[in-house]
Amino acid sequence: GIQVEQSPPDLILQEGANSTLRCNFSDSVNNLQWFHQNPWGQLINLFYIPSGTKQNGRLSATTVATERYSLLYISSSQTTDSGVYFCAVVPSNTGNQFYFGTGTSLTVIP
Amino acid sequence: DARVTQTPRDKVTEMGQEVTMRCQPILGHNTVFWYRQTMMQGLELLAYFRNRAPLDDSGMPKDRFSAEMPDATLATLKIQPSEPRDSAVYFCASGFAGTAYTTGELFFGEGSRLTVL
Repeated sequence: GIQVEQSPPDLILQEGANSTLRCNFSDSVNNLQWFHQNPWGQLINLFYIPSGTKQNGRLSATTVATERYSLLYISSSQTTDSGVYFCAVVPSNTGNQFYFGTGTSLTVIP
Repeated sequence: DARVTQTPRDKVTEMGQEVTMRCQPILGHNTVFWYRQTMMQGLELLAYFRNRAPLDDSGMPKDRFSAEMPDATLATLKIQPSEPRDSAVYFCASGFAGTAYTTGELFFGEGSRLTVL
């Protein structure tokens, strides 16, 4: 099956710093999403981005499907950004289920 | 706001008891997934449905777990008998698939936290 790798696995930032999270996948996909799991366990949709670039406030994401990676940018980080960020993809050859990466655990300290 | 609704939010039970978790997908969504997560680990897919038909339940322990969609507005996950190792957060998620080989944006419920003593 498709492999989804996220890096870095852990990240500690000072409030106000910027960061880039990466998601690599081993096969072509027709769907890619970024999720934020907050410290209370809720999984929140950040971006639905099978290709291209999107921005939402301090967050933006870019997916280069032909090179099989996606990046999530967090600017001017806040303590509320803490949690785990998951990337999930749907392989083009099946189109049926989402495969999740193991996540990047982000801690933003004041 | 359209949302995926899960009940119960928290459940504490004793080993051997039956547990049923329910999920109401977003209206109009035709794909429903059940995931399990332990201790903020990755998400483990248990089963999923499209147009109420089970597509894959290979991630589910068949001897004690069962998943159904009695109608388009309700998905259930049942554990009988429950064991302490089943303690986890169970998430339901729904999406709309327009074709057989696409799955639209996925939305998660808030999860059902199960503790089996």
